Amino acid sequence: GENVEQHPSTLSVQEGDSAVIKCTYSDSASNYFPWYKQELGKRPQLIIDIRSNVGEKKDQRIAVTLNKTAKHFSLHITETQPEDSAVYFCAASRRAAGNKLTFGGGTRVLVKP
Amino acid sequence: ETGVTQTPRHLVMGMTNKKSLKCEQHLGHNAMYWYKQSAKKPLELMFVYSLEERVENNSVPSRFSPECPNSSHLFLHLHTLQPEDSALYLCASSQDSLIHEQFFGPGTRLTVL
Repeated sequence: GENVEQHPSTLSVQEGDSAVIKCTYSDSASNYFPWYKQELGKRPQLIIDIRSNVGEKKDQRIAVTLNKTAKHFSLHITETQPEDSAVYFCAASRRAAGNKLTFGGGTRVLVKP
Repeated sequence: ETGVTQTPRHLVMGMTNKKSLKCEQHLGHNAMYWYKQSAKKPLELMFVYSLEERVENNSVPSRFSPECPNSSHLFLHLHTLQPEDSALYLCASSQDSLIHEQFFGPGTRLTVL
């Protein structure tokens, strides 16, 4: 089955700096890669996703890049703000497996004012 | 706010008790999911239902028994649980079981004594 590794497990950045979280996956057939943000005591919420037919996607301060050959994808947050502090999860799935998401272990991001 | 609700929000039970978790989605979705979120572990998919049929049982012990009476409701029946089953149980729904965003509920924090 699919295995998703996520690094780092914790990330502390100064407000205004950039944050980068990296994930690797094992199943070369995976073709959908969402990122979820979970604030303390709240539910996970999708912040951005990318499909295997594109290499990069951007939404305001958030961007995701995908390298299918190397089987890794990354989340980039620019101009970080205190409200970006949360746990971020990457995930992977493939169409043939339905919507069965395999999640990474999560990255706790702390943005220091 | 998301249209996925879960009750109860907190549950404490003994190992010999029988209890049920309830999930309801008001989004008109056709697929629903149960996840287990333990400390320091990735989100683990437990069950997937599509159009009220179970399409995935991710090697979950039989002491967890799901039920999906219609596309809006999902239950997780619990009996003879172990302390290591203590976790946050999250329900999610998506438009269908193909690749679509999953919307999570707030979760039920379960403690097994």
